[in-house]
Amino acid sequence: GESVGLHLPTLSVQEGDNSIINCAYSNSASDYFIWYKQESGKGPQFIIDIRSNMDKRQGQRVTVLLNKTVKHLSLQIAATQPGDSAVYFCATDNQGGKLIFGQGTELSVKP
Amino acid sequence: GAGVSQSPRYKVAKRGQDVALRCDPISGHVSLFWYQQALGQGPEFLTYFQNEAQLDKSGLPSDRFFAERPEGSVSTLKIQRTQQEDSAVYLCASSPRDTQYFGPGTRLTVL
Repeated sequence: GESVGLHLPTLSVQEGDNSIINCAYSNSASDYFIWYKQESGKGPQFIIDIRSNMDKRQGQRVTVLLNKTVKHLSLQIAATQPGDSAVYFCATDNQGGKLIFGQGTELSVKP
Repeated sequence: GAGVSQSPRYKVAKRGQDVALRCDPISGHVSLFWYQQALGQGPEFLTYFQNEAQLDKSGLPSDRFFAERPEGSVSTLKIQRTQQEDSAVYLCASSPRDTQYFGPGTRLTVL
């Protein structure tokens, strides 16, 4: 069946460094991709999204890159801060509205 | 502004009890989704409403799970005869079109 996976379950970075979180998806028909941030005890918080007709989108300190050829998605966080510590999920829209989530990468930021 | 709210935030049930979980979506959001999140995992789709119509319930794990949204706003997820494997966080999300905004979740523990 359709799957979404992350390359690394944990990532530790120094405060001020850039972070890169990767994700792979299996369904070539996926056309909408989203990154969520989830802090302990909270629901997933929308960060940024991208459609399949784009290969890059930037937000405030975050950039999402989409490579449809290899079905790969990445989230880049610039100047990572302690408040960025959380679990990050990528998700794809299954063209019916329901989201397929990956397993998550736990980002730890060392001061 | 008001986001998605869920109640109760925590629920402890004895095995065999029925539970009802409530979701108040963002006002005006047409679509409403329920997800189940096991510890250390990404959310998994349960069911989806557009207004009061339940368009997809393919993710409901058994006929003990039932969801409704009778007036197209508030939704209730009901679980009958709870089992220990039902222990999880139940997340509700609402969407005006594509982007889904999540509530804080209800943590259900079945003893």
